[in-house]
Amino acid sequence: GQNIDQPTEMTATEGAIVQINCTYQTSGFNGLFWYQQHAGEAPTFLSYNVLDGLEEKGRFSSFLSRSKGYSYLLLKELQMKDSASYLCAVRSTPSGGSYIPTFGRGTSLIVHP
Amino acid sequence: DVKVTQSSRYLVKRTGEKVFLECVQDMDHENMFWYRQDPGLGLRLIYFSYDVKMKEKGDIPEGYSVSREKKERFSLILESASTNQTSMYLCASQGMGLYNEQFFGPGTRLTVL
Repeated sequence: GQNIDQPTEMTATEGAIVQINCTYQTSGFNGLFWYQQHAGEAPTFLSYNVLDGLEEKGRFSSFLSRSKGYSYLLLKELQMKDSASYLCAVRSTPSGGSYIPTFGRGTSLIVHP
Repeated sequence: DVKVTQSSRYLVKRTGEKVFLECVQDMDHENMFWYRQDPGLGLRLIYFSYDVKMKEKGDIPEGYSVSREKKERFSLILESASTNQTSMYLCASQGMGLYNEQFFGPGTRLTVL
């Protein structure tokens, strides 16, 4: 099985930087995803890491350390619209040929003025 | 623009009723998933399908069944709805391959009275 841990809630100020951590324990690690979910809406894909290091996409970056079972999502120049839940999902060795991710419980980020 | 659609945004049913939730994707994806999302518990996988007429149990299949007669359509069935099945139900699809993310539908908020 897999165990994925991320903080339940974080708050930050508009314009600031925030780092959302995700730790995991799994056998046969095969990639880590971050999704953003606004209240009442579907999750949408943000980033994917399978190798160690930092992936940058505009204001958002995601980091992975496979040896430590650790990832973080970094959000820069925070905007009010970044208030959302951020979901960490870990994928492990395929079952029946399919890659099935397991989701953490999500981190609710509140950005205030 | 890729799309995953779900038959209803809101649904109210009575205990013991048979409930059908429909999901359709237009991306020709092999993999389709049904999740439920509850506060504090995150996304939990009910069932997934990696091909037409193929299905696999997820983490919480009890009380649910699924049907995949066509590639684009994946149905979730509650044989006899119970109040503990009140939840947000999310459908997702995913292409085959290592780097493919999931695309989610808008969700169905089901209330069982």
